[in-house]
Amino acid sequence: DSGVTQTPKHLITATGQRVTLRCSPRSGDLSVYWYQQSLDQGLQFLIQYYNGEERAKGNILERFSAQQFPDLHSELNLSSLELGDSALYFCASSGQPAYEQYFGPGTRLTVT
Amino acid sequence: DAKTTQPTSMDCAEGRAANLPCNHSTISGNEYVYWYRQIHSQGPQYIIHGLKNNETNEMASLIITEDRKSSTLILPHATLRDTAVYYCIVRVAGGGSEKLVFGKGTKLTVNP
Repeated sequence: DSGVTQTPKHLITATGQRVTLRCSPRSGDLSVYWYQQSLDQGLQFLIQYYNGEERAKGNILERFSAQQFPDLHSELNLSSLELGDSALYFCASSGQPAYEQYFGPGTRLTVT
Repeated sequence: DAKTTQPTSMDCAEGRAANLPCNHSTISGNEYVYWYRQIHSQGPQYIIHGLKNNETNEMASLIITEDRKSSTLILPHATLRDTAVYYCIVRVAGGGSEKLVFGKGTKLTVNP
């Protein structure tokens, strides 16, 4: 158990819909990262937040957004969903300096 | 971040040492070598990291060549539970963007 929790575990929704994925980092970790893992693209970095502020952005689509709240949990919002958004979405957290990242169990999103 | 090259797949007998190589010939002086693994569709798990010296922890050993252009992750006594995809990642730690850039990794199969 990494100490990072993600909800929900599975999500099935239709194209065009909007969903919110939630992540709670390990106690004391200020950084939260979101990654997407699809069959054709592998594991890809989406975005990082540090203590409520956006720190780095990867290949995150404009339809996707994220935020980190004062209690340090984070949410990833995916809107206007397309079939290609079906993937595993992982959240990770780290302390500072960020030597290792601890990953949650992931949310499996299926868009039908 | 420097690019890494890993074999696509490897096999190992249970109880034997598994030696996973990684080439990172363009590594910079301030870049660390990290190893993560992903068991089936679980969240990636941090294994070990190093800068220039060899490192050992309860999971594995990391051997980095003197010129730092390659490294080897050693699982001393592989078990069936070590079957996973192993990722070698090179990155700067502790400053700026701390994202992990995952390649395709090495699929290690431990056989009984």
